[in-house]
Amino acid sequence: DVKVTQSSRYLVKRTGEKVFLECVQDMDHENMFWYRQDPGLGLRLIYFSYDVKMKEKGDIPEGYSVSREKKERFSLILESASTNQTSMYLCASSFITDRGQVPQLQETQYFGPGTRLLVL
Amino acid sequence: LAKTTQPISMDSYEGQEVNITCSHNNIATNDYITWYQQFPSQGPRFIIQGYKTKVTNEVASLFIPADRKSSTLSLPRVSLSDTAVYYCLLEGYQKVTFGTGTKLQVIP
Repeated sequence: DVKVTQSSRYLVKRTGEKVFLECVQDMDHENMFWYRQDPGLGLRLIYFSYDVKMKEKGDIPEGYSVSREKKERFSLILESASTNQTSMYLCASSFITDRGQVPQLQETQYFGPGTRLLVL
Repeated sequence: LAKTTQPISMDSYEGQEVNITCSHNNIATNDYITWYQQFPSQGPRFIIQGYKTKVTNEVASLFIPADRKSSTLSLPRVSLSDTAVYYCLLEGYQKVTFGTGTKLQVIP
């Protein structure tokens, strides 16, 4: 089974702190994603990466950065945490299946358990 | 980015068939339609995926009309354990668009 792990289930930080959220997947997936989930807003994509050292902005990248130095690890960084970044953060990974199909199929995403971050 | 629109919530009695429709008027040629289920305090998990027409697996069916501007997730004979939030996604090459989700409440 695919396993996506996140470094913490719960995290409490103070405003202005630098926060690192780590995500590791064990299935050699090319793609990795960071989302935040807030009541009434569903899941919103922050950043994603389709290869080592590659990153793309999602819908709400402001206030965040990411790092992908190794294929299995994708880190989300809050440079200076703010109270409006209190949220549930979900990491996911997936791979591209090239079966000669057009369009190229992106396989299902596998999600980690989430990190609930509280910024005071 | 293409957007998806779903009903915010739905109620259903146990044993009934539930259909949740998602609108995606701006779906791209490369987009696949995927549905995920999420329980409280867990990450979403895959239910079903399709490109066009009808797809069925052991859990659900997915109906996609020819114009692909909408899709309908069908859950046969729901039980209390199907109470969850259901997300419709468009998954294209190197991009993904989540909807806001439909909260399904199954009533005894």
